[in-house]
Amino acid sequence: DAEITQSPRHKITETGRQVTLACHQIWNHNNMFWYRQDLGHGLRLIHYSYGVQDTNKGEVSDGYSVSRSNTEDLPLTLESAASSQTSVYFCASGSSGNTIYFGEGSWLTVV
Amino acid sequence: GIQVEQSPPDLILQEGANSTLRCNFSDSVNNLQWFHQNPWGQLINLFYIPSGTKQNGRLSATTVATERYSLLYISSSQTTDSGVYFCAVVRGPGAGSYQLTFGKGTKLSVIP
Repeated sequence: DAEITQSPRHKITETGRQVTLACHQIWNHNNMFWYRQDLGHGLRLIHYSYGVQDTNKGEVSDGYSVSRSNTEDLPLTLESAASSQTSVYFCASGSSGNTIYFGEGSWLTVV
Repeated sequence: GIQVEQSPPDLILQEGANSTLRCNFSDSVNNLQWFHQNPWGQLINLFYIPSGTKQNGRLSATTVATERYSLLYISSSQTTDSGVYFCAVVRGPGAGSYQLTFGKGTKLSVIP
């Protein structure tokens, strides 16, 4: 089994709908991150968390929110999906000052 | 924020050839990692290397933190090495920051 899992792996949704991407890690890492990957932009940080109840905005946080109610999970919510949010989303986790591991990605299409 | 530049942006190699990928960064770092993104999109951590040299099979990496660059060496390349190689850094020291800033990657194509 993968140590950091994302779901769904692929999703098509309509403009204006709320969408939640799940991320679950089994290592008990304090630090968790959400990135989006787009052609020409590489990977950009959306939100991150350094522990339970801690959340912080990254470089491209507008239109996204996260919550951290336990160590293992950091769900990413798109409040009202827009076509500009069509992207590949990666969740990652790691211990402080150490290697970071990525999930397999979630492909989201907003139509 | 910190700037991360990777070169070359694209690289085509014959199978068996060697290559060097470069990562320059604009500020001090306390974390530097190299990743390989395979053609299926999966991001694999290759090295955690804020300074010094490490080797793993045909791959090795060197970071010269004082001069703000890192190199990834691929020897005897294979078609399975194809994909995009990313360098990512955390600005440091201190500041309690752990989020990675990525370069735009080097796209490697190894042809048989």
